[in-house]
Parts: sequence; C-alpha cells; structure tokens
Amino acid sequence: GQQVMQIPQYQHVQEGEDFTTYCNSSTTLSNIQWYKQRPGGHPVFLIQLVKSGEVKKQKRLTFQFGEAKKNSSLHITATQTTDVGTYFCVGGGSNYKLTFGKGTLLTVNP
Amino acid sequence: DGGITQSPKYLFRKEGQNVTLSCEQNLNHDAMYWYRQDPGQGLRLIYYSQIVNDFQKGDIAEGYSVSREKKESFPLTVTSAQKNPTAFYLCASKRDMGVVNEQFFGPGTRLTVL
Repeated sequence: GQQVMQIPQYQHVQEGEDFTTYCNSSTTLSNIQWYKQRPGGHPVFLIQLVKSGEVKKQKRLTFQFGEAKKNSSLHITATQTTDVGTYFCVGGGSNYKLTFGKGTLLTVNP
Repeated sequence: DGGITQSPKYLFRKEGQNVTLSCEQNLNHDAMYWYRQDPGQGLRLIYYSQIVNDFQKGDIAEGYSVSREKKESFPLTVTSAQKNPTAFYLCASKRDMGVVNEQFFGPGTRLTVL
C-alpha cells in the first residue's frame, strides 16, 4: 500500500531560525496536503498541492511538490513561537483515502 | 457555526468493556473518517465512509466497528477485542467532490482503558 515517510521526526530551533520538513511517498501522488496540529489540539488543514513542481507560499511558509509528484517539503522562514506544533504531510491517492506521514514535531526556543 | 463535534473529550473505561465514541458534523459532508493517534505517531485510519449506509475498513480496523445511519453521524465502537485501545481518537469529514481534499477534524476524544 501507499506509504508516506516524513523527516525529521523532531526539530528544535531557536526563534528566528529557519525550519524544513520533508515528505517522501512510495508511489506517485495525485496531490499532497499539509496539516498542522498544535499540542493538545487537532490537525488543521494548511494547503494542498496538485501540480508537478508546484510551489505555494503562505506568509513565512513555503510548500513545494516535487516534479515526480512523490516528494514534498514545507519550509518556514524565521520561526516564531506560534509555529510550535506537529506538521503532517498527507498523500492523496483515491478521492476518499488519505495517507498521513508520522509528522515532524517542531519546538521553538524563544 | 458549522463544524464537527466529538464527545466526550476524555473517556475512561474498564478493560473488557465496549465503548462508543460520538462524532457529529453539520457541514453537509458526505465522507467521514475515524483515525487513531498514539503519542509521537501520525494518524492511522480506522474506518471511513463515503456515503450513508456504507463504510470501508482502514488500515487498523480490527477491534473496532462503525455505523453510518445518518449523514451527520459516524459513531465508532471500540470493542473488547481491541488489544490496546488507549489512544487519542479523531473524527474527520470531507466534501465528496471538489478539487481540494481538505479534511475537517473534530477536537478528538482521549480514551483511557484501565
């Protein structure tokens, strides 16, 4: 079955440093989504990428989808304490079933 | 306000007892999902339903059961056959059509089996 691997599992940064998490799929994806889960909370949708090589930005967050549609990355510029949480990539295969990566837990030292 | 509700937030049960977790949505979404999350882990799919009166097993369905008698409701029963039921359970829903596959999550139920 489809597997989505995400690295690193944990990342601790000083406030103001950049952060990147990477996602790799065992199969070609129809789309990829990114979610953020704050400590004690539930996942919240950030963005969806569909096209090969697509790049999207949301303020300090930059999302990329690989040319082969098998990998993706999320980059945060100049982290803030509000960025703390677990970031999940989610691979879209069939229209209804999505496969979650294990997530990257980001902690930020003020 | 439209959204997904799960109750209760915290649930304690004795080993060997079945327990049912509630999930209700008023977003008029056709698809609904149940996930399990363990500490330091991602979300693992238990069951999902694309339409009323139909549902499919996910990756870890053993020891769980669901029903989908109404569009708004997708309750999950954790049976005594589930070997390690203590976990955080998340319910989600999604529109069946459209370009964006965004899932909307409820606040979750944290189940502890003693």
